[in-house]
Amino acid sequence: QSALTQPASVSGSPGQSITISCTGTSSDVGSFNLVSWYQQYPGKAPKLMISEVSKRPSGISNRFSGSKSGNTASLTISGLQAEDEADYFCCSYAGSSRLVFGGGTKLTVL
Amino acid sequence: ELVQSGPEVKKPGESLKISCKDSGDNFRSYWIAWVRQTPGKGLEWMGIIYPGDSDTRYNPSFEGHVTISADKSISTAYLQWSSLKASDTAIYYCARDFKDALDFWGQGTVVTVSS
Repeated sequence: QSALTQPASVSGSPGQSITISCTGTSSDVGSFNLVSWYQQYPGKAPKLMISEVSKRPSGISNRFSGSKSGNTASLTISGLQAEDEADYFCCSYAGSSRLVFGGGTKLTVL
Repeated sequence: ELVQSGPEVKKPGESLKISCKDSGDNFRSYWIAWVRQTPGKGLEWMGIIYPGDSDTRYNPSFEGHVTISADKSISTAYLQWSSLKASDTAIYYCARDFKDALDFWGQGTVVTVSS
């Protein structure tokens, strides 16, 4: 199946809010409330930030939130901080035990 | 914690098996996924295994080219190739799958395939 679609890059100033979209299809994002989001710094492994569309794992700041509408999921980061500059990937369950990732979005904090 | 084996440099056509060892106590009780990362294609889910009974599922894009296995007696999962291609050059991650989210990741294994 095709990868989920994310914008290649987004940017924002410290203190602002940004939203990263993740568009799939009715076979993945649209069918399951099993969208997750990952943060990745250069040279490091991805880190889970959001699971099941909007659940934050223990230790993840409440500045990170997730939502979904139809075939599109979104990650919102509020109160942007310099340390938020990283790559962000979305991921969705696609049936038959399969996961599909988005292409990734590079967040730049201006 | 998931600890992966070290970087590998191989030639096309060679075989390779990389590992992912769980230092925790519940290795048999959850699924382990393998994920490939390349600059051009980002993250790709390759497949998943349940070490408790070795039930394995593959991404059709990788099935037939890689084999996922596990040895529950030593809490280790494996990803192997019988004949590498240059296009297998990538970083490979193992990760724990919990409710279809990958909540703990290994540090990654860099595989370079070049003649």
